Amino acid sequence: DIQMTQSPSILSASVGDRVTITCRASQSISRLLAWYQQKPGEAPKLLIYQASTLGSGVPSRFSGSGSGTEFTLTIRSLQPDDFATYYCQQYDNYSPYTFGQGTKLEIK
Amino acid sequence: EVKLLESRGGLVQPGGSLRLSCAASGFPFGGYAMSWVRQAPGKGLEWVSAISAGDFSTYYAESVKGRFTISRDNSKNTVYLEMNSLRGEDTAVYFCAKFGTTVVSWFDSWGPGTQVTVSS
Repeated sequence: DIQMTQSPSILSASVGDRVTITCRASQSISRLLAWYQQKPGEAPKLLIYQASTLGSGVPSRFSGSGSGTEFTLTIRSLQPDDFATYYCQQYDNYSPYTFGQGTKLEIK
Repeated sequence: EVKLLESRGGLVQPGGSLRLSCAASGFPFGGYAMSWVRQAPGKGLEWVSAISAGDFSTYYAESVKGRFTISRDNSKNTVYLEMNSLRGEDTAVYFCAKFGTTVVSWFDSWGPGTQVTVSS
């Protein structure tokens, strides 16, 4: 199975900050990576797919980059609504699909 | 607008069975692969099972293989997850998810989730 490792696990930031979350795959997955945002008690929401393509309706302050084994999610100018947990997920090896352990973005 | 709605889960004894369903609307259901993803209390996301659109090929996580069965009824726009021999570690919120395209793609829409608790 492909292992996905996110860092950091917890990130403290302030409204207006620029933050970056990293996701590393245990083997190359080309650009077959998605990012999701999840708030407590809610379902995950797709943010980015194909490593850098913005999902429908996702604000442009979110961006993704990377290929192979290293990927990043960047949020430019944090808004109060952005404080949530973020997950990366690979779909290169589609059985099983694997998620990172999550990064909780907290208000500093 | 894509909508996915899981059936009510519930409390099941260890070794018991439960069938979840997910009613879909707002898109041509028969043309998209579907999946189930779960989240144990306080934990991250774990993919459970998937079913393709065309040939109904099925895929399972090792943790549920042989115990869970995914199926779909395109005439009812519904995907199912039959869960047998349930264990305490199956306790989780179960989400129905729609693939962006085929099974080699991302999950672009999710249902609100349903709680399954396995306990005596």
